[in-house]
Amino acid sequence: GQQVMQIPQYQHVQEGEDFTTYCNSSTTLSNIQWYKQRPGGHPVFLIQLVKSGEVKKQKRLTFQFGEAKKNSSLHITATQTTDVGTYFCAYSNYQLIWGAGTKLIIKP
Amino acid sequence: NAGVTQTPKFRVLKTGQSMTLLCAQDMNHEYMYWYRQDPGMGLRLIHYSVGEGTTAKGEVPDGYNVSRLKKQNFLLGLESAAPSQTSVYFCASSYSVGNQETQYFGPGTRLLVL
Repeated sequence: GQQVMQIPQYQHVQEGEDFTTYCNSSTTLSNIQWYKQRPGGHPVFLIQLVKSGEVKKQKRLTFQFGEAKKNSSLHITATQTTDVGTYFCAYSNYQLIWGAGTKLIIKP
Repeated sequence: NAGVTQTPKFRVLKTGQSMTLLCAQDMNHEYMYWYRQDPGMGLRLIHYSVGEGTTAKGEVPDGYNVSRLKKQNFLLGLESAAPSQTSVYFCASSYSVGNQETQYFGPGTRLLVL
């Protein structure tokens, strides 16, 4: 079935560095959602994008939906320890179809 | 307003034992879902329900059964547990399907099958 590929699987950064995760599909998506899961926690909804080329910001987080609606990205500026966790993209097609997630790890 | 709650939080089973996981939501959501998440992996949909009295299979339904007798509750049953079912199980709910479908998750049930 239709899938979304999410890369990278892991990203190690120094605190204060930026972080980006990408979500790609071979077909046009009606929407894209982003969730965050803290270690040991459950996924929590962050945002939904529905329009071609849409860009939304939440403080240090910037979410983009591609012009062709086949890809999306989440960029975190100047990471903090509170950003640690796994970030998932998902799109709804009767059910939510999930990417595999990108784990943000902050180097000690 | 508790949102989505799950019981139990943690359980250890022996192979062949049965158990039921309970999910409850107080948001009057129509849609409810059961996922499993294995270490370092994403979420895989087991079963879902689009309303009271209805259920449907997801991506990995084998070995599980579900029931939605009341709108607010969604039960996941394991009739004969296997070690491969060791996982974290998340329940979620949403208002509806489609472009506005945001899912709200419970805290999870950690299941270990020996």
